[in-house]
Amino acid sequence: DAKTTQPTSMDCAEGRAANLPCNHSTISGNEYVYWYRQIHSQGPQYIIHGLKNNETNEMASLIITEDRKSSTLILPHATLRDTAVYYCTGLNTGNQFYFGTGTSLTVIP
Amino acid sequence: EAGVVQSPRYKIIEKKQPVAFWCNPISGHNTLYWYLQNLGQGPELLIRYENEEAVDDSQLPKDRFSAERLKGVDSTLKIQPAELGDSAVYLCASSLDFRDRFTDTQYFGPGTRLTVL
Repeated sequence: DAKTTQPTSMDCAEGRAANLPCNHSTISGNEYVYWYRQIHSQGPQYIIHGLKNNETNEMASLIITEDRKSSTLILPHATLRDTAVYYCTGLNTGNQFYFGTGTSLTVIP
Repeated sequence: EAGVVQSPRYKIIEKKQPVAFWCNPISGHNTLYWYLQNLGQGPELLIRYENEEAVDDSQLPKDRFSAERLKGVDSTLKIQPAELGDSAVYLCASSLDFRDRFTDTQYFGPGTRLTVL
């Protein structure tokens, strides 16, 4: 069954890049990797997704390794408002998105 | 464009009472999801609708939980009777079409925080 593994927590200095890793070694060949974040008391917010190529949008960049077993979400200039729980997700064999416990990112002033 | 709307945002009830949550998805989204989120955990799928059809309810505790999506738009999730362990956040999400599931982005509502006393 597809699963993702992320560090429980990370800190990042304000203005610096935040690099959030995710292992998804059981991902299938046509399965996209999605990233969401959840700020306290809000629903998860979509950030970015990708298949095999690196992706960038106005919020973040996504680097996926060539073997697709891991990826890194990059917030180029972290702000205090980026403090949140970040989820790397994918579809499991039951076609259900697996969110795991995510990484709690704290941006420090 | 309005996002996914949920109500109420907070609900406190006593155990054995019934409770219902309402969700209005983003206009034009065929797929609707209900998730359960316990404290410190990620969301877990309860049920997925494609239009008005429940196509994945394998994680829904059917003895006390029920859901409906009339006319393929709004949806309600009901618990009857509620138990202490049902205290959690109930999230609704919608997406354009799960048949394109590999690229189908979900958009979440703010959730309903249920406290069962």
